[in-house]
Amino acid sequence: AQSVAQPEDQVNVAEGNPLTVKCTYSVSGNPYLFWYVQYPNRGLQFLLKYITGDNLVKGSYGFEAEFNKSQTSFHLKKPSALVSDSALYFCAVRAPNAGNNRKLIWGLGTSLAVNP
Amino acid sequence: GAVVSQHPSWVICKSGTSVKIECRSLDFQATTMFWYRQFPKQSLMLMATSNEGSKATYEQGVEKDKFLINHASLTLSTLTVTSAHPEDSSFYICSALTGMSTDTQYFGPGTRLTVL
Repeated sequence: AQSVAQPEDQVNVAEGNPLTVKCTYSVSGNPYLFWYVQYPNRGLQFLLKYITGDNLVKGSYGFEAEFNKSQTSFHLKKPSALVSDSALYFCAVRAPNAGNNRKLIWGLGTSLAVNP
Repeated sequence: GAVVSQHPSWVICKSGTSVKIECRSLDFQATTMFWYRQFPKQSLMLMATSNEGSKATYEQGVEKDKFLINHASLTLSTLTVTSAHPEDSSFYICSALTGMSTDTQYFGPGTRLTVL
């Protein structure tokens, strides 16, 4: 069965330090991988995605993620965290052979707190 | 680009009444829209996939007769919560795909429903 795991419910990091939010997946074939961010009482905003090509994907707000096929991971990273990055982060995956079923499988989310 | 709106942003209703939530794609045509439900500090729960001009595909466990979805045009999908009860209180979020060849979902800001 397809699944996405975000092993950390919460990540705390000091402002200016690098941050990593972890995501691992289980899906057959080469996955489509996504990261979204959600600020309080708001919908989700798209950050970045991996479909094919370079394993390092750069996205919005200085975020990047690295696709690692052998470890089935797609960790989100940022070199220098900002207090304004504090939010809920979701990883999602779609199997490429899902045909017309284009829904995403979502992780449970990781709450990121950046401390001043 | 790829802006999705929802209306209303919040609604309070009495138990037993029906509530309609609108999801609009403002600057693109959305052949596919998704409806999610989110409980506090929890992940997204996909309720249904809505394709323009056809019946929605509901996820297992979601009551079709309670959560009526209509996708009558390429820019509008509606979710009607019929005979609402307090347990229906939640944050409802829609998303839309910008085309047949993309898998990036763009989200509306969400609707907070409180049933008294």
